[in-house]
Parts: sequence; C-alpha cells; structure tokens
Amino acid sequence: GENVEQHPSTLSVQEGDSAVIKCTYSDSASNYFPWYKQELGKRPQLIIDIRSNVGEKKDQRIAVTLNKTAKHFSLHITETQPEDSAVYFCASGGYQKVTFGIGTKLQVIP
Amino acid sequence: GAVVSQHPSRVICKSGTSVKIECRSLDFQATTMFWYRQFPKQSLMLMATSNEGSKATYEQGVEKDKFLINHASLTLSTLTVTSAHPEDSSFYICSASGPTTGELFFGEGSRLTVL
Repeated sequence: GENVEQHPSTLSVQEGDSAVIKCTYSDSASNYFPWYKQELGKRPQLIIDIRSNVGEKKDQRIAVTLNKTAKHFSLHITETQPEDSAVYFCASGGYQKVTFGIGTKLQVIP
Repeated sequence: GAVVSQHPSRVICKSGTSVKIECRSLDFQATTMFWYRQFPKQSLMLMATSNEGSKATYEQGVEKDKFLINHASLTLSTLTVTSAHPEDSSFYICSASGPTTGELFFGEGSRLTVL
C-alpha cells in the first residue's frame, strides 16, 4: 500500500517568515495530493490540493509543488500569520482514498 | 462546500458496552464514506471504507467484528464500536467525498472515552 512520509514533525517560524513542509510517497500510481489543516480538536480542512498533471499550484499565500519523478511534494506558506498555527497533513493516493502523512505541527510566533 | 455532520461529538462509556457513531452528509449524497481513527498527536489512520448498500472494506489490522460499519442510505454511515475497551479510546472521524470535485469533507469527529 501507499506509504507517506512527512517532515518536519514540528516547525516554529516567526510571523511573516515562510514555512515549508515536505512529503514523499511510495506508490507511483498515486495521482492526488491534498493538504489539510487541522486545528486542535477540530476536523481537518482542505487547504490546497494538486493532481499529478500539474507541477505547482498557488492560492494566495499557500503553494504546493509536486515532483512525480522523485515522488515528493511540498507545501509552502508565505508571510505566515499566528492563525496559520495548526497541524498540517499531507496525503497521497487516488481521488477519494488517500493515505495521510504523520502531520506537522506549525507554530507561528508573533 | 459540502457539509458532513458527525454525532455524538463526545461519548464516555463503560468497558464492555457498545457505542454507535453516526456520520451524515447533510446536503449531498455520498455513496462512499471513510472512517478514520486518530490518536493524540498522531495522524489519521484509515479504518474502513463504507459503501452504500454493500459491505464495508476494512484496512489491514482493523477487526470488522469489532468495528461494525453500516451504510444503509446515501446520507448516513454508522460506526459501532462493539464491546469497547479502554484501548479503543480515541478520536474517530468520518469523511465523505464531495458531490462535484471529489474533495474529502470531514465530520467534526467523535471523541470516545472508555472507562
């Protein structure tokens, strides 16, 4: 089955700085790579996703890059704000069924 | 976006009892729903895929007789934790695929505590 590795597990940045979270996956058949944000005690929320036919996607301060050859994808958050503090999960798989990474706890320090 | 509602949000039960958790898609029909388990500070682990009108598909290591899943309608899937024990205490979350994009929408989650 699919194996997703995510790092770092924790990340602290100063407000205004950029944050980068990286994931690798094992199944070359995977074609859908979403990123979720989960605040403490709440449900995961999709923040951005990318499909295998696209190398990069951007939505305001959030961007995701995908390298299918190397089987890795990354989340980039620019101009971080305190409200960006949360746990971020990458995921990899098919259109509906995905495998999640272990999560990255991002702390943005005001 | 599509709304998925989960109930109850918190449940405390005695060891040996059974607990049912409901997952509803409120404004769309979901032929497939997913059930996850999340331990503190850990990732979401897929337990099973719930298919409307047919048997659920369980992930390796998940006991189907322990975690009963029923998906009797296009808007409701239930997870029953049978004969619950303290080690079953966890955060259980469901998800359903949205009606247009296939994006996964998650329920609020249910925190189960077995005494």
